[in-house]
Amino acid sequence: DTAVSQTPKYLVTQMGNDKSIKCEQNLGHDTMYWYKQDSKKFLKIMFSYNNKELIINETVPNRFSPKSPDKAHLNLHINSLELGDSAVYFCASSQTPDSNYGYTFGSGTRLTVV
Amino acid sequence: DQQVKQNSPSLSVQEGRISILNCDYTNSMFDYFLWYKKYPAEGPTFLISISSIKDKNEDGRFTVFLNKSAKHLSLHIVPSQPGDSAVYFCAASKGSSNTGKLIFGQGTTLQVKP
Repeated sequence: DTAVSQTPKYLVTQMGNDKSIKCEQNLGHDTMYWYKQDSKKFLKIMFSYNNKELIINETVPNRFSPKSPDKAHLNLHINSLELGDSAVYFCASSQTPDSNYGYTFGSGTRLTVV
Repeated sequence: DQQVKQNSPSLSVQEGRISILNCDYTNSMFDYFLWYKKYPAEGPTFLISISSIKDKNEDGRFTVFLNKSAKHLSLHIVPSQPGDSAVYFCAASKGSSNTGKLIFGQGTTLQVKP
């Protein structure tokens, strides 16, 4: 019974396409996140939602649009995909925005734009 | 400008010996530090953390040391086991921000040889 599940695990698509990545957590956490791991392996925050409300938008291009229909779900929609969007995207959740409790991460979605 | 750095991309140790993973940070406003462990094709998992009011935190075989004057932390694993082979990320946060945002280093790949 996966705590934070994201789908799909792998996604290969052409430049210019629109795609979505879904994330669900069954931990009852209030806060969810999207992180991007780039080619240099740094994990960088993109968005943070607390109880469906956006609390961090980390200067991400507006081609990326997160949507949180409820506090258990945080989906990521990407329009007009570019080669530079190729990365591994991780969804995560925490009990509260107080990150001292640590995150629970999903297993990642490897996006390849060709 | 990367505020959290792990300058050793990889480390190899013999089973039973000590593994020491290092992390440096630049922002003196960070007040909480965490270590995550990541296996291939999985998301990072929370390992151990330390508040800036402490200089040491221990959990079983894992100990984290914090040197605030040097802006340096280290993770000690004693004794190292082959199952510890993974990528280790350190992360830092400003608890007062109440956003849950973590700044991650780029990871150190630990290989523990039997």
